[in-house]
Amino acid sequence: QVQLQESGPGLVKPSGTLSLTCAVSGGSISSSNWWSWIRQPPGKGLEWIGEIYHSGSTSYNPSLKSRVTISVDKSNNQFSLRLSSVTAADTAVYYCARWQGSHAFDIWGQGTLVTVSS
Amino acid sequence: EIVMTQSPATLSVSPGERATLSCRASQSVSSNLAWYQQKPGQAPRLLIYDASTRATGIPARFSGSGSGTEFTLTISSLQSEDFAVYYCQQYNYWPPLTFGGGTKVEIK
Repeated sequence: QVQLQESGPGLVKPSGTLSLTCAVSGGSISSSNWWSWIRQPPGKGLEWIGEIYHSGSTSYNPSLKSRVTISVDKSNNQFSLRLSSVTAADTAVYYCARWQGSHAFDIWGQGTLVTVSS
Repeated sequence: EIVMTQSPATLSVSPGERATLSCRASQSVSSNLAWYQQKPGQAPRLLIYDASTRATGIPARFSGSGSGTEFTLTISSLQSEDFAVYYCQQYNYWPPLTFGGGTKVEIK
């Protein structure tokens, strides 16, 4: 079955750029699904960051849109997140997840903690 | 943006008892609502989609109901593994997709 695995630096300096990758295994990123990034600050709730389709079409949370880029790499069956100009408020566990139409987010990665600190 | 409000923030329930969790949308989301369960240190797990359809492998003690702006997740007889945080999420209007603040179900 499809599995997702996040990877990337666990520590990013303030004003820097957070970069994460989500590897898709057990299935193709070119299937009829959207692929999302979601984050969760420590002890808080879930915030949707944005999504991408294998064609490259994207949709972003307006609250983050000016700082977010999500891209897809079909050859490596993965998609990526870049979040620029980070501050301590961007410290969170970052999840990648599959959106399967009205089946909502049916598959999630295990999450990766990114801390913004000097 | 659709604001999702969950109540109560914390629900204390004894094992074997029934738990009823509420989720309210700031405007109608039709039946485009999902429920997730999250245990400490784990990713959320999909329980219910389309307001009332159980996801694959979810026990029948979990049920969802509602439409429009008012939704309920019911756990008919709480098992030890059900103590967790539960989130609702709307997918009728986006961007952005939005989640509720969560309800923590704890052991009474």
